[in-house]
Amino acid sequence: DQQVKQNSPSLSVQEGRISILNCDYTNSMFDYFLWYKKYPAEGPTFLISISSIKDKNEDGRFTVFLNKSAKHLSLHIVPSQPGDSAVYFCAVVTHQGAQKLVFGQGTRLTINP
Amino acid sequence: DVKVTQSSRYLVKRTGEKVFLECVQDMDHENMFWYRQDPGLGLRLIYFSYDVKMKEKGDIPEGYSVSREKKERFSLILESASTNQTSMYLCASSLPPGTGVIGVQYFGPGTRLTVT
Repeated sequence: DQQVKQNSPSLSVQEGRISILNCDYTNSMFDYFLWYKKYPAEGPTFLISISSIKDKNEDGRFTVFLNKSAKHLSLHIVPSQPGDSAVYFCAVVTHQGAQKLVFGQGTRLTINP
Repeated sequence: DVKVTQSSRYLVKRTGEKVFLECVQDMDHENMFWYRQDPGLGLRLIYFSYDVKMKEKGDIPEGYSVSREKKERFSLILESASTNQTSMYLCASSLPPGTGVIGVQYFGPGTRLTVT
């Protein structure tokens, strides 16, 4: 039973345009949501997060939007750069005490020059 | 900078062998985690530990065990390796809640394990 779903396995975007990655979750009780980025042969690294008391969080070119009624979050990257090509995972915190996460399947983003 | 190291980048083992994957973090983190990453399935939690000698099962613990004798070291053990355990294994660590952004974990580079 997949608690977190990323329905697009891959996405291709032209350099300079907006990249939008999507994620759906099942449990309305989740409070914290994160995006991680993974390059080949490296471990994932934290990118940006949002708590359920907000609907938007911005960090430079990266913005995460949270739609609680739809149980949906999205990551916007503007403008997209070739170095953004990576696999992006959304994650939810399911146990705050242990900092336990459940991850989505990942979306491979390719930025074309 | 937090550093999480894993003992091997690539490992090839035979079916039935006992396999040890080692993970060490240098930031005195309380929590440590073992995941496996498979295409189309994302990262799935195998086991985690929130203190020395304390461990809890994750979502897919079958066929695995763990050991945490020291705070900085968390080992994943495949008691009898099988071909369906061929995967990328990722170790992570994190601070306890209240000491940083909730949910942030620091990952090692991963071990690509092939069981033949």
